[in-house]
Amino acid sequence: SQQGEEDPQALSIQEGENATMNCSYKTSINNLQWYRQNSGRGLVHLILIRSNEREKHSGRLRVTLDTSKKSSSLLITASRAADTASYFCAASNTDKLIFGTGTRLQVFP
Amino acid sequence: DAGVTQSPTHLIKTRGQHVTLRCSPISGHKSVSWYQQVLGQGPQFIFQYYEKEERGRGNFPDRFSARQFPNYSSELNVNALLLGDSALYLCASSVTPNTEAFFGQGTRLTVV
Repeated sequence: SQQGEEDPQALSIQEGENATMNCSYKTSINNLQWYRQNSGRGLVHLILIRSNEREKHSGRLRVTLDTSKKSSSLLITASRAADTASYFCAASNTDKLIFGTGTRLQVFP
Repeated sequence: DAGVTQSPTHLIKTRGQHVTLRCSPISGHKSVSWYQQVLGQGPQFIFQYYEKEERGRGNFPDRFSARQFPNYSSELNVNALLLGDSALYLCASSVTPNTEAFFGQGTRLTVV
């Protein structure tokens, strides 16, 4: 399977703490995108990092990319209860996005 | 501005039936892709269309087909439904392939 993997599968933290999720992929990529999904609904686009970038920031989000290791990480700083969701990375390869297995994040008030 | 819209939101079908799912992309987006997400897994790629031509196809049987219309909207058709086709079907649009892809809320298909 080409599907990537995310680590950890589940993460529980308190509000105000930081959450870090890691993603590994198997193919060459044009870019890598991160998404959030609440309760089996649609995917919300969070951030895109291009293959020639190493780090990108957007608000409380920080994404890193290491193409030599075929890995990426998503850091959410100062987490809030509203950040509770599943998070997916998706490697963009020519004609498709190849998704990871997702990390379920639970943020307790 | 309207995001990606999908219809219907929920659907219940019987084994062996046929289903058509619809997707309207964000205005100005010419690429539409379809994904299947079963419970507890990440979305799996089914099709990508760009400028009304099929650009890619995932590992799905020929029972799955799709098309893109001149206004860039798209349909996903599934014939001879199986219980295993029960899933959330997601449509994504982007300006061109390999750019930011924005997803609709999905169609929840249940096959009984």
